[in-house]
Amino acid sequence: GAGVSQTPSNKVTEKGKYVELRCDPISGHTALYWYRQSLGQGPEFLIYFQGTGAADDSGLPNDRFFAVRPEGSVSTLKIQRTERGDSAVYLCASSPRAREEQYFGPGTRLTVT
Amino acid sequence: AQSVTQLDSQVPVFEEAPVELRCNYSSSVSVYLFWYVQYPNQGLQLLLKYLSGSTLVKGINGFEAEFNKSQTSFHLRKPSVHISDTAEYFCAVSDSGGSNYKLTFGKGTLLTVNP
Repeated sequence: GAGVSQTPSNKVTEKGKYVELRCDPISGHTALYWYRQSLGQGPEFLIYFQGTGAADDSGLPNDRFFAVRPEGSVSTLKIQRTERGDSAVYLCASSPRAREEQYFGPGTRLTVT
Repeated sequence: AQSVTQLDSQVPVFEEAPVELRCNYSSSVSVYLFWYVQYPNQGLQLLLKYLSGSTLVKGINGFEAEFNKSQTSFHLRKPSVHISDTAEYFCAVSDSGGSNYKLTFGKGTLLTVNP
């Protein structure tokens, strides 16, 4: 079956611009996670959704970052006033229920120039 | 909070040779441990996990890992590697309690299998 998909696969934006990154989880998965992977680093947790609500957003680096999941399926990670330090691969994962195995998407590579 | 140290950033080996990728963790609470593999342009894929029970865990593609609580290690091994095992491998940890959805990853080890 279809895995987790993320769009776009690559995004180049200018410093100060607003970007949205989309994640389509595996159908029926109730839990969704965002991670950020900077160059040479492992993924870092950003936020976890159970259904429509953000159950844990403790990994979001600052208030320029925000994520939504309005219908409990697709999620959008939103970054305002992008900075060069935001350049990274943003990974999305989903699991059937909370605290079960996470299935990762291929990521969106964000480059801020 | 937990942390993970992958001691080797790159490991080159020849095909059919054995390999060990090292992982040490730090945590003040009981943990779950994971190994993920990332092939080029693909998402992370779970190789194996330790939740409880037997300390020797077998995973997909012939990989296994051993949980050593006294040494706080979870090294990944394969007795004979193939060219197709070339990929980046990540060790990860979570607490075994209420926040066990939050994975903390190491920096990764690039395994390159040469003919």
